[in-house]
Amino acid sequence: DIQMTQSPSSLSASVGDRVTITCRASQGVKNDLGWYQQKPGKAPKCLIYATSTLQSGVPSRFSGSGSGTEFTLTISSLQPEDFGTYYCLQHNDYPLTFGPGTKVDIK
Amino acid sequence: EVQLVQSGAEVKKPGESLKISCKGSGYSFSAYWIAWVRQMPGKGLEWMGIIYPGDSAIRYSPSFQGQVTISVDKSISTAYLQWNSLKASDTAMYFCARSLRHDSWGQGTLVTVSS
Repeated sequence: DIQMTQSPSSLSASVGDRVTITCRASQGVKNDLGWYQQKPGKAPKCLIYATSTLQSGVPSRFSGSGSGTEFTLTISSLQPEDFGTYYCLQHNDYPLTFGPGTKVDIK
Repeated sequence: EVQLVQSGAEVKKPGESLKISCKGSGYSFSAYWIAWVRQMPGKGLEWMGIIYPGDSAIRYSPSFQGQVTISVDKSISTAYLQWNSLKASDTAMYFCARSLRHDSWGQGTLVTVSS
């Protein structure tokens, strides 16, 4: 199985800050990597797929980059509604695997 | 609009069976994989398996192989997740998601297993 790790596991940032979350895969996943936001008590929401393609309706302050084994999600200017837990998912090989999540709090 | 609507919360006893559902609408149901994802209380997302409604091809995570059964009825645009004998450790929220990209998600079905 491909193991996914994320760093940091949690962060606290102020409104307007630039936030970066990193996801690493134990082996190459090409660009088959997505990012998901989950708020408490809600279903996850797809933000980015194929490493860097913004899902329809997602604000442009979210962006993704990377390839192979290292990927990043960047929020260019953190907004109050961006709190929640962020997960990466590789869909290059079965079984698909999620990262452990990064919890984002607003200071 | 793409929608995945899941069946309602369930409370079951250990040893009982259960089948929960995920109904797709707003797109060609047969053309997109449907995945199932578990989230235990206070924990992260765990990928369970996936089915392609067009030909019922299924892939399970080894962690869930033999523990659950994934199926589909494409005539009613519905995918299913089934247990034959529930355990307390199956208590969790279960989500369905569309496609390998998991680009659209159901609202979740809470399964509680308690004696």
